[in-house]
Amino acid sequence: DTGVSQNPRHKITKRGQNVTFRCDPISEHNRLYWYRQTLGQGPEFLTYFQNEAQLEKSRLLSDRFSAERPKGSFSTLEIQRTEQGDSAMYLCASSLTVGYGYTFGSGTRLTVV
Amino acid sequence: AQTVTQSQPEMSVQEAETVTLSCTYDTSESDYYLFWYKQPPSRQMILVIRQEAYKQQNATENRFSVNFQKAAKSFSLKISDSQLGDAAMYFCAYLVGSQGNLIFGKGTKLSVKP
Repeated sequence: DTGVSQNPRHKITKRGQNVTFRCDPISEHNRLYWYRQTLGQGPEFLTYFQNEAQLEKSRLLSDRFSAERPKGSFSTLEIQRTEQGDSAMYLCASSLTVGYGYTFGSGTRLTVV
Repeated sequence: AQTVTQSQPEMSVQEAETVTLSCTYDTSESDYYLFWYKQPPSRQMILVIRQEAYKQQNATENRFSVNFQKAAKSFSLKISDSQLGDAAMYFCAYLVGSQGNLIFGKGTKLSVKP
């Protein structure tokens, strides 16, 4: 287990299509986070899970966004009816406990055309 | 609202020299953590250094050290003996001890000149 894995690395989709991203955290980490990063900006928090429970969601996470973490292992982030404004890097991170920092994945770059 | 401010969008340093990146934050909490993350052009965020707010001693990791001024809510990063591989975006981040999500600043782009 070498780190946080995200797939796909790149996704190009047409406006209005649905997309799903996957994140596999470090196996012993019970906390999993999703962030969005646009060019030249810091990551913005979307949502986080402790085990399978989704404990917090940002107001950035509109009704078109949904995240799941079945069985407290991998997580998926789905965006329905994509818009051009959804184009960004979507980062996943995991951690064992609060306060020890996150381990980030390489991200999924979404381009909506 | 908790915010993190990095007032230097870009910085430049000569190889082998020292550079300091600034960060201020706003919070009413007493239990929190501060971090500096590095994001090279490949875009994977890497944890550089971590500071617990209740510790007065400044954290140090090899060539990286922080100047943590709790009363001033300031958390600067000093990079000594800068190397070409230090060139990256650097993000300051804040985490409240009872919550889960890191709050990031907008970042400082560091260039290292040979």
